[in-house]
Amino acid sequence: QKEVEQDPGPLSVPEGAIVSLNCTYSNSAFQYFMWYRQYSRKGPELLMYTYSSGNKEDGRFTAQVDKSSKYISLFIRDSQPSDSATYLCASLNRDDKIIFGKGTRLHILP
Amino acid sequence: EAGVAQSPRYKIIEKRQSVAFWCNPISGHATLYWYQQILGQGPKLLIQFQNNGVVDDSQLPKDRFSAERLKGVDSTLKIQPAKLEDSAVYLCASSLEGRSEGDEKLFFGSGTQLSVL
Repeated sequence: QKEVEQDPGPLSVPEGAIVSLNCTYSNSAFQYFMWYRQYSRKGPELLMYTYSSGNKEDGRFTAQVDKSSKYISLFIRDSQPSDSATYLCASLNRDDKIIFGKGTRLHILP
Repeated sequence: EAGVAQSPRYKIIEKRQSVAFWCNPISGHATLYWYQQILGQGPKLLIQFQNNGVVDDSQLPKDRFSAERLKGVDSTLKIQPAKLEDSAVYLCASSLEGRSEGDEKLFFGSGTQLSVL
């Protein structure tokens, strides 16, 4: 089982819709979780990070961690065409190395 | 603030040839990373430098890959000889100190897209 698993998509939603992106992780010791956004032909950029369980909000983005089910979510409200990208979830493993999921390709349809 | 610079942007080579990638991190960033991102996959760490010393190269295929970071600034990643399965985007990233608390932000370059024919 991979340490961080993510549905690769693609996921297509109409502009203005709420987007839900999800990941699961295998190691209950993971404490620190990140979401990176990667535009085509660009490197990833950190979108949000959160420790432990709970929610963290930043503008239209909300990151949620449920440690009981080892589930990580990113919600995007009022989605825009500029949100079209690949979203990578990631976590720090036992060796403090960042482990990335495969990424979910998101298309926001105008 | 200038970002992480990488060159070349694209490279096409035949198998068994050699290739080198160059990275210039953000000024003042002590930690430099090389990642390999195969199409449809997340980035996989190849090697991590702290200043000019290697912190982690456990996933670097050392029989064909080598990397150096002279003077703790620029870095080069070399593949010799290349195999078909090396086709990927090679991403360089840097961070201020590379501490393990988890509050370090990685800044990525745009990557070098390598095609091995």
